[in-house]
Amino acid sequence: SQELEQSPQSLIVQEGKNLTINCTSSKTLYGLYWYKQKYGEGLIFLMMLQKGGEEKSHEKITAKLDEKKQQSSLHITASQPSHAGIYLCGAVGGSNYKLTFGKGTLLTVNP
Amino acid sequence: NAGVTQTPKFQVLKTGQSMTLQCAQDMNHEYMSWYRQDPGMGLRLIHYSVGAGITDQGEVPNGYNVSRSTTEDFPLRLLSAAPSQTSVYFCASSYRQITNTGELFFGEGSRLTVL
Repeated sequence: SQELEQSPQSLIVQEGKNLTINCTSSKTLYGLYWYKQKYGEGLIFLMMLQKGGEEKSHEKITAKLDEKKQQSSLHITASQPSHAGIYLCGAVGGSNYKLTFGKGTLLTVNP
Repeated sequence: NAGVTQTPKFQVLKTGQSMTLQCAQDMNHEYMSWYRQDPGMGLRLIHYSVGAGITDQGEVPNGYNVSRSTTEDFPLRLLSAAPSQTSVYFCASSYRQITNTGELFFGEGSRLTVL
């Protein structure tokens, strides 16, 4: 089964700082999905990356997919308290209907 | 817009009791799924359905039953609750294959404690 490893597990940054979260897959990536979860709530879809080298942005969040490295990175520029939460990467492996998630990265942004 | 609605939000059970977690969506989504979220384990897929009458197992199906009699509803049944099933459960849906858009719509979660 496909495994996704996220790093770091948690991150504390000062407001205004940039940060990067990584997601590495144990198998070939055919698509990589980023979600955000606020404490006590469900997940919100951020973006999907399907092609090697693809880069997408959502407000101040940018994600890239490196197919060769089986890795995706999510970069937040000029972080704000509203960016705080758990970021999870997901991938589809073996079946188009089974979305597997990493364990998540807990982001805290101090004002 | 209701989206994905889960009930109850909180539930406490005793070992051996049975219960059903309800999930309903009003977006006419074909695909529905149940995940559980545990500290240190992340989100794990329990069961999923690609349409009315069609269900399949995910990563951790043992101890759970599902059925899909309508497009809108996808209940998750615990036949004999165990402390290991203490978790936060999320229902999610999408229009069709996840690979099309990658976007799953999640409910707000149901927090279950089994004593």
